[in-house]
Amino acid sequence: QKEVEQDPGPLSVPEGAIVSLNCTYSNSAFQYFMWYRQYSRKGPELLMYTYSSGNKEDGRFTAQVDKSSKYISLFIRDSQPSDSATYLCAMSGTGGFKTIFGAGTRLFVKA
Amino acid sequence: SAVISQKPSRDICQRGTSLTIQCQVDSQVTMMFWYRQQPGQSLTLIATANQGSEATYESGFVIDKFPISRPNLTFSTLTVSNMSPEDSSIYLCSVDGLAGGGETQYFGPGTRLLVL
Repeated sequence: QKEVEQDPGPLSVPEGAIVSLNCTYSNSAFQYFMWYRQYSRKGPELLMYTYSSGNKEDGRFTAQVDKSSKYISLFIRDSQPSDSATYLCAMSGTGGFKTIFGAGTRLFVKA
Repeated sequence: SAVISQKPSRDICQRGTSLTIQCQVDSQVTMMFWYRQQPGQSLTLIATANQGSEATYESGFVIDKFPISRPNLTFSTLTVSNMSPEDSSIYLCSVDGLAGGGETQYFGPGTRLLVL
């Protein structure tokens, strides 16, 4: 079993839709949870950062962490064609813990 | 956040040759990381490079194949040696940073390598 599981997609939605992206993980020691967005031919850029459980909102983006279920989500409201990218979840712990990345979900938002 | 640049952005190489990838950061950082990203797969950490010490390699990666230099706090190189088509991938460097009160990583734009 991989430490982090993420559906690779692709996920295709119409413009304006609410997008839900998810990852599951197996290591309960993870405490920091991140979402990166990677456009084609670019490096990953940090989109959302969450510590421990709970929700975090930034504009159209909401990150949720449920540590009891070992499940994290990223919601995108009013999706735009410019949101078309690959979204990678990532997680790490304290004390020199390595960051572990999901495989990424390819998202296409159709105009 | 740190601004990271990489050279070359892409290259096509013949098997058996070597390619050196450069990573430049706009601020001094303690640790730099080199990742490989293959299509449909997650980012795989190759090694961690600290200035003034030998790089630390992850399981499955060895110094003879991926020698790393870290001459100062803003620069590092990764060499992919004796390349084979299996080395075709995107190579990314990253650095630690602070976000939301905790540590995270910032990435360069990547180097796309195709080995024929």
